[in-house]
Amino acid sequence: KAGVTQTPRYLIKTRGQQVTLSCSPISGHRSVSWYQQTPGQGLQFLFEYFSETQRNKGNFPGRFSGRQFSNSRSEMNVSTLELGDSALYLCASSTGTSGGAETQYFGPGTRLLVL
Amino acid sequence: DAKTTQPPSMDCAEGRAANLPCNHSTISGNEYVYWYRQIHSQGPQYIIHGLKNNETNEMASLIITEDRKSSTLILPHATLRDTAVYYCIVRASHGSSNTGKLIFGQGTTLQVKP
Repeated sequence: KAGVTQTPRYLIKTRGQQVTLSCSPISGHRSVSWYQQTPGQGLQFLFEYFSETQRNKGNFPGRFSGRQFSNSRSEMNVSTLELGDSALYLCASSTGTSGGAETQYFGPGTRLLVL
Repeated sequence: DAKTTQPPSMDCAEGRAANLPCNHSTISGNEYVYWYRQIHSQGPQYIIHGLKNNETNEMASLIITEDRKSSTLILPHATLRDTAVYYCIVRASHGSSNTGKLIFGQGTTLQVKP
C-alpha cells in the first residue's frame, strides 16, 4: 500500500499571503490529522477530520482551517501568513473506526517558509 | 502537556541493544503506550504500541512494567540508521475528547555511534 503523501514538499510564501497544503491518506483510511512542528513548540496537533467532518481541533487561531473531501483527501489552509507560521506541517492518517484512537501513520511533511 | 517523561538524549554503540525508557505514572487503564521515531526532518514513523503485555515486532520490543507506570523500547541491534528522536506517547484506546490527537513531548534523541 502506498503511504501518506503530502504536496507540495516545500513552499516559500511571504507574510500576508495564504497557503493550501494537501494530504492524501493511505487507501482505506478515513481519518486525517494535521500537526505543526516548529523548533520552539515541537509537534502540535492542529485538527482531525473524519468522513468530511472536523472531529477534533487543537489550540490554533482561526487562520488555520481545513477540510476533507469524500475520497478522504484533506487540505489545510493558512490565511494571512505570519513569520511564526514557518514550520513543518505533517499529516497523519488512520482508519478512524475506533473513535480516533487508532494507529496514525505520518506523511513526509510540507516545509513552509514564510518570508 | 505530554503525559510522559523521557530522557532528552542517549547514546548507543552500533550493534548493541538500545533501551529507551519512558515514565507514564499517570496512565489510565484504557490508555495505550505508543512509540514513534522521527529521523531528521522526516515525518514520524510508527514503531510499536501496547496496553499491558509486552509486544514485539520486526522493528522493536516494548516492555511495560506490571503497574504500567513505565515502559522501555528496545532496539535489539542498533544501527546508524536508528539515530533519531524517539517519542513515547500515551493515548486512550477509544473515543474521547482527544480523538485523532497525539500529544508529543520532547522525546529522546538517540545517537547510535560506530
